[in-house]
Amino acid sequence: AQSVAQPEDQVNVAEGNPLTVKCTYSVSGNPYLFWYVQYPNRGLQFLLKYITGDNLVKGSYGFEAEFNKSQTSFHLKKPSALVSDSALYFCAVRDNTNAGKSTFGDGTTLTVKP
Amino acid sequence: ETGVTQTPRHLVMGMTNKKSLKCEQHLGHNAMYWYKQSAKKPLELMFVYSLEERVENNSVPSRFSPECPNSSHLFLHLHTLQPEDSALYLCASSQDSSSNEKLFFGSGTQLSVL
Repeated sequence: AQSVAQPEDQVNVAEGNPLTVKCTYSVSGNPYLFWYVQYPNRGLQFLLKYITGDNLVKGSYGFEAEFNKSQTSFHLKKPSALVSDSALYFCAVRDNTNAGKSTFGDGTTLTVKP
Repeated sequence: ETGVTQTPRHLVMGMTNKKSLKCEQHLGHNAMYWYKQSAKKPLELMFVYSLEERVENNSVPSRFSPECPNSSHLFLHLHTLQPEDSALYLCASSQDSSSNEKLFFGSGTQLSVL
């Protein structure tokens, strides 16, 4: 079985400060990890993914995430937050033995204040 | 836009009605998905189609009936729904159903069952 945990329902940061949205996972095989963002009244949009290779993955809108195998984590980061980054963020995992089935976390609401 | 279009955006139906949700993707993808997003619950995978064949039925009640007539179109037929079925229904597509492919989501249909 595979699972994803996003331990924080809400993250608040000031504009210009760095932000981190946490994600930990559990899979039986090798993990394929994804971050998606959802703006109000919209579907989810892909931000970045880790499949293999460099543990630091860079994605859209200046976001990046670091894969840490020993801590089974894939935290989303951005060096300088923008008010427009305020949205709902989802971490998702697929393992290489469970094709087609992504498991999503509960989501973390990021609020960036001016 | 993500290239995945869902109609209608909003739907209100009674428990005895029959309605259908439509999804169309313009990306040339071979896999399509239905997800259910309820308030305060993680995204739930309902169905997966790969090359127009259903490859996953995630224990969804029979009052939800999917149809994939070709690789560009996906329908979700609804009948005798319950109020607890009220949710945002998201369609997604990917190049194929393998584990490392990212998902492209539509904006969803917000369904209210009275």
